[in-house]
Amino acid sequence: KAGVTQTPRYLIKTRGQQVTLSCSPISGHRSVSWYQQTPGQGLQFLFEYFSETQRNKGNFPGRFSGRQFSNSRSEMNVSTLELGDSALYLCASSLAGQPQQYFGPGTRLTVT
Amino acid sequence: GESVGLHLPTLSVQEGDNSIINCAYSNSASDYFIWYKQESGKGPQFIIDIRSNMDKRQGQRVTVLLNKTVKHLSLQIAATQPGDSAVYFCAENMGAGKSTFGDGTTLTVKP
Repeated sequence: KAGVTQTPRYLIKTRGQQVTLSCSPISGHRSVSWYQQTPGQGLQFLFEYFSETQRNKGNFPGRFSGRQFSNSRSEMNVSTLELGDSALYLCASSLAGQPQQYFGPGTRLTVT
Repeated sequence: GESVGLHLPTLSVQEGDNSIINCAYSNSASDYFIWYKQESGKGPQFIIDIRSNMDKRQGQRVTVLLNKTVKHLSLQIAATQPGDSAVYFCAENMGAGKSTFGDGTTLTVKP
């Protein structure tokens, strides 16, 4: 089976812009979670989608949003980018009810 | 609040030795505790998990121990190899696709 894929792998944006990141989960996985990874804060949970519904949300401002499509692919959007949004954004998929998450390689976002 | 912490940010071992990576957690309501390995340029990779009603679980060259009394989790790697060099994270699975991660321990294996 193909693993979790994320596009793009690298992205450079300027402050105030918005960005959309994409994630394709492992086939059959309906749960997709997003995490932000930074050297200072580590891995922080953003949100999780299951069957196109957001089931769980972390402690991030409303500028961070996401959605999931009927084929389980997911996107996350960050509006009005700030320098502090520079991070590695990781997507993870899992089977329903299973704790094990499978991570993609991440999208490295740099905000200048 | 929720938090999962690791005792040491770095650990250096000789190839062939056993490694022990420790983690302290604070949320007693978690159902599963998980160890992930992250290599440079990659996302975290699942190593092993343990359910909260267990105190030990073994995998291939790895053992996870859970002590709920002192809220402590450890990962033991037997016969550590250079390919084991990576950052190791413990995580609490909170259900509904959410895991709370610790800060990570960087394991360096010296040849």
